[in-house]
Amino acid sequence: DQQVKQNSPSLSVQEGRISILNCDYTNSMFDYFLWYKKYPAEGPTFLISISSIKDKNEDGRFTVFLNKSAKHLSLHIVPSQPGDSAVYFCAASANSGYALNFGKGTSLLVTP
Amino acid sequence: NAGVTQTPKFQVLKTGQSMTLQCAQDMNHNSMYWYRQDPGMGLRLIYYSASEGTTDKGEVPNGYNVSRLNKREFSLRLESAAPSQTSVYFCASVAGATTYGYTFGSGTRLTVV
Repeated sequence: DQQVKQNSPSLSVQEGRISILNCDYTNSMFDYFLWYKKYPAEGPTFLISISSIKDKNEDGRFTVFLNKSAKHLSLHIVPSQPGDSAVYFCAASANSGYALNFGKGTSLLVTP
Repeated sequence: NAGVTQTPKFQVLKTGQSMTLQCAQDMNHNSMYWYRQDPGMGLRLIYYSASEGTTDKGEVPNGYNVSRLNKREFSLRLESAAPSQTSVYFCASVAGATTYGYTFGSGTRLTVV
């Protein structure tokens, strides 16, 4: 059973606007959350992460928000750029463990 | 360049054939992983090795075996390939706990006919 869910397979946003990618999880033991970005024919690359003791983490244009009570996190990209077009995976781990659980991914298209 | 190297990049197998996917990292990472990516399924963990000398099953281990040859290398073997194993396979490594984030290889695209 999928413990990390990304319910939107795809998202299209205009250049300069905000992109919001959503992720839900079911396992209350998860305490660390990460976002990965993947271009075609390449491996995923680490983008940004957040610990369960925080509710927000920023890195340049990327911000991740965590709502533990709702078991929900989101990735905000502001402003969106065409180079952001990729598949974004949400991932989670329990007790800083050794394996990540990934969602199915959301394909983001940023149009000029 | 430092990172995770996977070989081969592409492979076509006939049903029943065997092969080994190779993975090597030069970052002195302790933990290594094998994932498969299928359309609409995301990344699913096949096997992982938390440290040299240990291996553990992930979510979808059936039909696969692994070997942690040394700290650098972690191989994935298909003993008798099946069409259901057609997928893109990614190897990843991390220094310690997952909080540091994985480094992924560029993948092996395997087709079983």
